[in-house]
Amino acid sequence: DSGVTQTPKHLITATGQRVTLRCSPRSGDLSVYWYQQSLDQGLQFLIQYYNGEERAKGNILERFSAQQFPDLHSELNLSSLELGDSALYFCASSVVSDSGELFFGEGSRLTVL
Amino acid sequence: GENVEQHPSTLSVQEGDSAVIKCTYSDSASNYFPWYKQELGKGPQLIIDIRSNVGEKKDQRIAVTLNKTAKHFSLHITETQPEDSAVYFCAASKSSGSRLTFGEGTQLTVNP
Repeated sequence: DSGVTQTPKHLITATGQRVTLRCSPRSGDLSVYWYQQSLDQGLQFLIQYYNGEERAKGNILERFSAQQFPDLHSELNLSSLELGDSALYFCASSVVSDSGELFFGEGSRLTVL
Repeated sequence: GENVEQHPSTLSVQEGDSAVIKCTYSDSASNYFPWYKQELGKGPQLIIDIRSNVGEKKDQRIAVTLNKTAKHFSLHITETQPEDSAVYFCAASKSSGSRLTFGEGTQLTVNP
């Protein structure tokens, strides 16, 4: 158990809909990262937050947005969903914003029909 | 930005044999190189990492080597066991808040 909690574990929805994925980082970790893992692909970095502030942005679509709340949990919002958005979405946390070990949750599997 | 390439994409070995996975990176400023193991249905987990001031690091059956001049690093697993079967990812990053860029992953299968 990494200490990172993601909900929901599985989500099935239709094209055009909007979903919210939630992540609770390990106790004490200030940084939260979101990664997308599509079938047969690696981990694509989406966005990073550090202590409530956006720190880095990767290949995140404009239809996607995220935030980190004062209690350090984070939410990833995916809107106007398309079939290609079906993927595993991982949240990871770390102690500091510098490079170092990332602790990954078990992921949220999104299926868009 | 950083680009990390990983080979091979699949690797099948017999139990007890060694396995080697190789990665190259593009950004010479990268100085942190971790390896993650992802078991089926789980999130990736760090198994070993190396920083650019070190050429090799070992942890029991696992070792990582780094060649900064050639910009490549490798994971070596000796005496493989069936429980080593998983997807392995290499990654690279710079310090000062840069996030990890991952390779595409290697599906390792250890046959009993």
